Amino acid sequence: GAGVSQSPSNKVTEKGKDVELRCDPISGHTALYWYRQSLGQGLEFLIYFQGNSAPDKSGLPSDRFSAERTGGSVSTLTIQRTQQEDSAVYLCASSLVGSEYEQYFGPGTRLTVT
Amino acid sequence: DQQVKQNSPSLSVQEGRISILNCDYTNSMFDYFLWYKKYPAEGPTFLISISSIKDKNEDGRFTVFLNKSAKHLSLHIVPSQPGDSAVYFCATNAGGTSYGKLTFGQGTILTVHP
Repeated sequence: GAGVSQSPSNKVTEKGKDVELRCDPISGHTALYWYRQSLGQGLEFLIYFQGNSAPDKSGLPSDRFSAERTGGSVSTLTIQRTQQEDSAVYLCASSLVGSEYEQYFGPGTRLTVT
Repeated sequence: DQQVKQNSPSLSVQEGRISILNCDYTNSMFDYFLWYKKYPAEGPTFLISISSIKDKNEDGRFTVFLNKSAKHLSLHIVPSQPGDSAVYFCATNAGGTSYGKLTFGQGTILTVHP
């Protein structure tokens, strides 16, 4: 398939552990976004990549959250010392330059912190 | 503070009838609006958009209306089909980012009964 893929689909972790979430965007999409959706809430913007650089990290909730992108393709979102309030569905999206509002989303990673 | 609000958590409609989903926003500077649809266990998919220079945009069975004076937009689906049952999110670029940082509402669950 040529869509956005994310792994793992589900992750259960203990409070205090680190987790890494992976996103494979659509080939050729230079823009990549991370969002999260907490229970009963809308999608919350976390970070935006243009190529390998992140011009906007304003949505990252704390310094425990970081993300990187390599080769203009795969991105990983890392959460250190996870807390229960980090439990959410983490969604990755990608888009073409010039069509930034038509974003293609992956299925998400459901993170549960126990 | 929520910049985009969908005040109806759910809507139930009979097949063949019209579905009207509503969204309110807070800032008259917001200039681009979108609707996304989300099925369970899938990421949101782009449905339709409207620029603030227009008051209506139509695509097949889907029409989005924008009332700038009321800071309100709505999505009309006519006729509604059971396959339209999903969560619908309205979103905005929140007034002028040059890339696709979107602010989403909480979503409305639409159920279309056969």
